[in-house]
Amino acid sequence: DVQMTQSPSTLSASIGDRVTITCRASESISIWLAWYQVKPGKAPKLLIHKASNLESEVPSRFSGSGSGREFTLTISSLQPDDFATYFCQQSNVSPWTFGQGTQVEV
Amino acid sequence: EVQLEESGGGLIHPGWSLRLSCVASGFNFGDFAMYWVRQIPGKGLQWVSGITSNADTIEYAASVRGRFIISRDNSMNSIYLQMNDLRADDTARYYCSKGRNPGDLFGGVFGSWGLGTLVTVSS
Repeated sequence: DVQMTQSPSTLSASIGDRVTITCRASESISIWLAWYQVKPGKAPKLLIHKASNLESEVPSRFSGSGSGREFTLTISSLQPDDFATYFCQQSNVSPWTFGQGTQVEV
Repeated sequence: EVQLEESGGGLIHPGWSLRLSCVASGFNFGDFAMYWVRQIPGKGLQWVSGITSNADTIEYAASVRGRFIISRDNSMNSIYLQMNDLRADDTARYYCSKGRNPGDLFGGVFGSWGLGTLVTVSS
């Protein structure tokens, strides 16, 4: 199975901060990487697929980059609605696997 | 608007069985692969199972293979997860998810999700 490793596990930030989350795959997954936002009591939300393709209605302050084994999710200016847990996930090969998550907190 | 509503969760004893359901609306259900993904309370996400749009191909995570069965009824816009021989480590919130892109293959991207249904396995 492809192992996905995210860092950091927890990130403390303030409104307006630039935030970067890193995801590393145990083998090359080309650009087959998605990012999700998860909040308690809400349905998880797909933010980005194919490493850098922003889903419609996702604010442009979110961006993704990378290929091969190294990927990043960047929030250019953190907003109150962005405090959540973020997961990366490889869609290159089954079983589709997730990183362990990064909690973005105040 | 895509809507996915899971049901069937609850408190159940180890070794028992449970059937989860997910009803979908707001899209052409028969055009999309569907998935189950779970989240252990306070922890990460784990893909559980997937079924292609016409049910030709089904896949399972190794941890549930042989115990769980996924199925779908396109006439009812629904998928199901029959969970047998449940274990304590199956305790999780189970989410139904729609594949991001239409087609009869797996894309492995979870485009829309429901709110989930909580399954607790405990004696």
